[in-house]
Amino acid sequence: DSGVTQTPKHLITATGQRVTLRCSPRSGDLSVYWYQQSLDQGLQFLIQYYNGEERAKGNILERFSAQQFPDLHSELNLSSLELGDSALYFCASSAPLGPDTQYFGPGTRLTVL
Amino acid sequence: AQTVTQSQPEMSVQEAETVTLSCTYDTSESDYYLFWYKQPPSRQMILVIRQEAYKQQNATENRFSVNFQKAAKSFSLKISDSQLGDAAMYFCAYVHAGGTSYGKLTFGQGTILTVHP
Repeated sequence: DSGVTQTPKHLITATGQRVTLRCSPRSGDLSVYWYQQSLDQGLQFLIQYYNGEERAKGNILERFSAQQFPDLHSELNLSSLELGDSALYFCASSAPLGPDTQYFGPGTRLTVL
Repeated sequence: AQTVTQSQPEMSVQEAETVTLSCTYDTSESDYYLFWYKQPPSRQMILVIRQEAYKQQNATENRFSVNFQKAAKSFSLKISDSQLGDAAMYFCAYVHAGGTSYGKLTFGQGTILTVHP
């Protein structure tokens, strides 16, 4: 158990819908990262937050957005869902003093029908 | 842009034997970290080992060790005394310790490791 929690574990929804994925980092970690794992794209970095502020952005679609709240949990919002958004979404967190080691949550499996 | 390449899509090993997984990376940075992550069928991403680029000494964690060749930009993982529980997908990953991409992990394509009893 990495100490990073993600909910829900599985999500099945229809095209055009909007969903929210939630992540709680390890105790004491200030950075939260979101990654997408799909069969055709592999593991891709989406976005990073540090203590509530956006720190780095990857190839995140405009339909996707994220935020980190004062209690440091983070949410990834996916809207106008398409079939191709079906993937495993991971959240990771790392200690305050640098990128160092990222510890991953169990992931949320999103299926868009 | 940094890239990570794992040239072995699949590897297999007999239980108790040793196997080496290969990884190469491309970067113009001098300060970075390298990692190996394991993803078993449960799909959880589990950290196996980490290497700081400024350290010449190769990292070791129990049966897992790396061969870090900075000039060659090579970072291989050696698993000794392989166990059935080592069967998984293994990902090599890179992170630059600074700049605008601070914290972004770049992953290789993965190597599926099969362990035969």
